[in-house]
Amino acid sequence: EAGVAQSPRYKIIEKRQSVAFWCNPISGHATLYWYQQILGQGPKLLIQFQNNGVVDDSQLPKDRFSAERLKGVDSTLKIQPAKLEDSAVYLCASSFGPSNTEAFFGQGTRLTVV
Amino acid sequence: AQSVTQPDIHITVSEGASLELRCNYSYGATPYLFWYVQSPGQGLQLLLKYFSGDTLVQGIKGFEAEFKRSQSSFNLRKPSVHWSDAAEYFCAVEQGYQLIWGAGTKLIIKP
Repeated sequence: EAGVAQSPRYKIIEKRQSVAFWCNPISGHATLYWYQQILGQGPKLLIQFQNNGVVDDSQLPKDRFSAERLKGVDSTLKIQPAKLEDSAVYLCASSFGPSNTEAFFGQGTRLTVV
Repeated sequence: AQSVTQPDIHITVSEGASLELRCNYSYGATPYLFWYVQSPGQGLQLLLKYFSGDTLVQGIKGFEAEFKRSQSSFNLRKPSVHWSDAAEYFCAVEQGYQLIWGAGTKLIIKP
């Protein structure tokens, strides 16, 4: 069974630039999550999709972050403009049901903002 | 609100030695508890979970954890570590279908 795929693996950008991350969840998984993991911290949930609808985006900084999952499968997370404090690993996860306690995680995208 | 505390930022053990990683939680009812491992450059992988029943839970890769309600703890153990166990370990507790994560403990293995 293929896992959660993310790209790119690494990205370095200058502050105020924009960046986008892509995630392909496990086939058949209705729920997709984006997490931000800052060095030395546990993951923080940014947004949760159920199919193509948003279930929870309470911790998403909506002035600069956006995410979409148009066809209920792949998802993109965008940051525009990026700030230095956005440097982190962005993890995508997916699950069959609505609980992220059963989620499978991708390898993540390490973003460095300079 | 629930919280998870992993008191040790990093731990160093010799290869072949036993390991115990500490996790304390705050929650009124019986929690659902989890341990994840994150190897360098890898995503998070579930090691084991506790929902109810036997308080000693067996996981993958030879890990086990014990739920102790009186101490609000869910410590992770392994009798003999291997160099490949070097990674970061996260404890988490469920709150309303979401996971509340600890800050992680980095495990360093001495040869």
